[in-house]
Amino acid sequence: GAGVSQSPRYKVTKRGQDVALRCDPISGHVSLYWYRQALGQGPEFLTYFNYEAQQDKSGLPNDRFSAERPEGSISTLTIQRTEQRDSAMYRCASSSLAEGTDTQYFGPGTRLTVL
Amino acid sequence: KQEVTQIPAALSVPEGENLVLNCSFTDSAIYNLQWFRQDPGKGLTSLLLIQSSQREQTSGRLNASLDKSSGRSTLYIAASQPGDSATYLCAVQAITSYDKVIFGPGTSLSVIP
Repeated sequence: GAGVSQSPRYKVTKRGQDVALRCDPISGHVSLYWYRQALGQGPEFLTYFNYEAQQDKSGLPNDRFSAERPEGSISTLTIQRTEQRDSAMYRCASSSLAEGTDTQYFGPGTRLTVL
Repeated sequence: KQEVTQIPAALSVPEGENLVLNCSFTDSAIYNLQWFRQDPGKGLTSLLLIQSSQREQTSGRLNASLDKSSGRSTLYIAASQPGDSATYLCAVQAITSYDKVIFGPGTSLSVIP
């Protein structure tokens, strides 16, 4: 596809379950970012990759959150033992420059609801 | 096409000074404007978000203003500290392309002890 895609678009899970959120960036984009966005707020940075290398994961809230991009394309954000406070929109973005100051193109997001 | 510019590109000030960073955007049809901080080799840290209906936001020593009609935002940093040294980016989320967040090139700030 032409844009960034994410799946699933909506995920409802019970507290304590693990979830995996997928991001498929624009083909050829070097950088991939994960953000979490609460309602009415801007994106909160979680982590980012240049190619397959995770450059910075300081934004991950705790060790239940992890991300990977093993082949430098598709990325997965995994949340283990979900909690209600994890409910949010999770958005990924990709950009064409390794430094990431070029336009970031966002996916539609995955709305996660933890019951 | 929305374009975001920031001036100055780089700024060096002695510790304790108050300073202003500027951001301009060409299309006033925005949802919000956000200021980020980026440290070398790190991701982005969100500092302040201003919704299109708001005029300013404050957090600690930071104050950001938005004048949507003139396409300008300023980030005011009071009593600067060496730990404020970083690159500051502003970004707008456009109404016409909600999926796109357009970043400015950034202002590299160095606060000298």
